[in-house]
Amino acid sequence: RKEVEQDPGPFNVPEGATVAFNCTYSNSASQSFFWYRQDCRKEPKLLMSVYSSGNEDGRFTAQLNRASQYISLLIRDSKLSDSATYLCVVRRPSNYQLIWGAGTKLIIKP
Amino acid sequence: NAGVTQTPKFRILKIGQSMTLQCTQDMNHNYMYWYRQDPGMGLKLIYYSVGAGITDKGEVPNGYNVSRSTTEDFPLRLELAAPSQTSVYFCASSYDEGNYGYTFGSGTRLTVV
Repeated sequence: RKEVEQDPGPFNVPEGATVAFNCTYSNSASQSFFWYRQDCRKEPKLLMSVYSSGNEDGRFTAQLNRASQYISLLIRDSKLSDSATYLCVVRRPSNYQLIWGAGTKLIIKP
Repeated sequence: NAGVTQTPKFRILKIGQSMTLQCTQDMNHNYMYWYRQDPGMGLKLIYYSVGAGITDKGEVPNGYNVSRSTTEDFPLRLELAAPSQTSVYFCASSYDEGNYGYTFGSGTRLTVV
């Protein structure tokens, strides 16, 4: 089993819709989780950290489910500019290194 | 404020050649990293550094070397390039272990033929 797994997509979503995708992780001792965004042929950029109680940043909501070992990202009122690949990142507790998922591709259609 | 600067942006190498990928950051970050990204795969850590004079191996260090003589610079050396090293390479830096996020350079697209 991979340490971090994501559905590669693509998720094709009409503009204005709500979309959510999950990321599963294998190490139950993991403590730190992040979502990064990567535009085509660009570098990753931090979208948001994921806190135990869940957190929201504008149209974006991140949740952590420790019992089932997954994190989720919800995007409301999606915009064309939200089209990107969303990378799930988990910190490995043994050496604090970040483990990167392969990403979920999101395409917002007008 | 330049952030993390990587050069070159593109490079084609022949098998067996060597090259150095340059990385410079102006944010006074102690932590710096080199990753490679292959299609359909997550970023893989090649080497990292927690400060000047300190480097350590990541998940995929074979075929690469690094040095960290200053806080700002963290070059990655490829010796005897192989087709398996065809990839996109990203340098990144962070204030701490990454709790506030990594700042990435724009990447180097390397092809080994």
